[in-house]
Amino acid sequence: DARVTQTPRHKVTEMGQEVTMRCQPILGHNTVFWYRQTMMQGLELLAYFRNRAPLDDSGMPKDRFSAEMPDATLATLKIQPSEPRDSAVYFCASGLDGYYGYTFGSGTRLTVV
Amino acid sequence: AQKVTQAQTEISVVEKEDVTLDCVYETRDTTYYLFWYKQPPSGELVFLIRRNSFDEQNEISGRYSWNFQKSTSSFNFTITASQVVDSAVYFCALSERGGSRLTFGEGTQLTVNP
Repeated sequence: DARVTQTPRHKVTEMGQEVTMRCQPILGHNTVFWYRQTMMQGLELLAYFRNRAPLDDSGMPKDRFSAEMPDATLATLKIQPSEPRDSAVYFCASGLDGYYGYTFGSGTRLTVV
Repeated sequence: AQKVTQAQTEISVVEKEDVTLDCVYETRDTTYYLFWYKQPPSGELVFLIRRNSFDEQNEISGRYSWNFQKSTSSFNFTITASQVVDSAVYFCALSERGGSRLTFGEGTQLTVNP
């Protein structure tokens, strides 16, 4: 089965450090999402792209977060500088206009100490 | 604005019982899509089903079935003869139009006890 690949699976970093999370969407998918999951907030949309163009990043703290798709095979989410409140699981998902649902990656569990 | 409500935070059943997970949604669009995802203890989100707003037929897949009722804005999920492996958090989600953002409900933690 085709998969969405996220790296790293786990990341522990110190407050103030830059964190980069990567996602390889399924080949041929044109929609990519970044979601954050915490106990308090549940699943929150951070950003999404369609045909590599950013469509909505209103859920993302702009001063420290950035999301890009340098090419169709790679999506990145950066946090600079990281803060303890950024500790969460970050999921990437891809789909083809949602027609067959969206496939989620295994997530990156981020801990900022 | 779109919203999904899963009023049941936690459900606990004994194996072989049937269980229904409720999902109520709000949207102003006439075209929309509804989803269910499963998140087992391992943490990944597994796609279960997608429904569009024009198709109100109920769907059955093995022990899983879904009841979509536009009149009550509900998209409920039933597991028949539950098994321990069904223990997970189940999320209902809504997307307005194809390819747009998914809005998730809060999730329902289902525990199936042996």
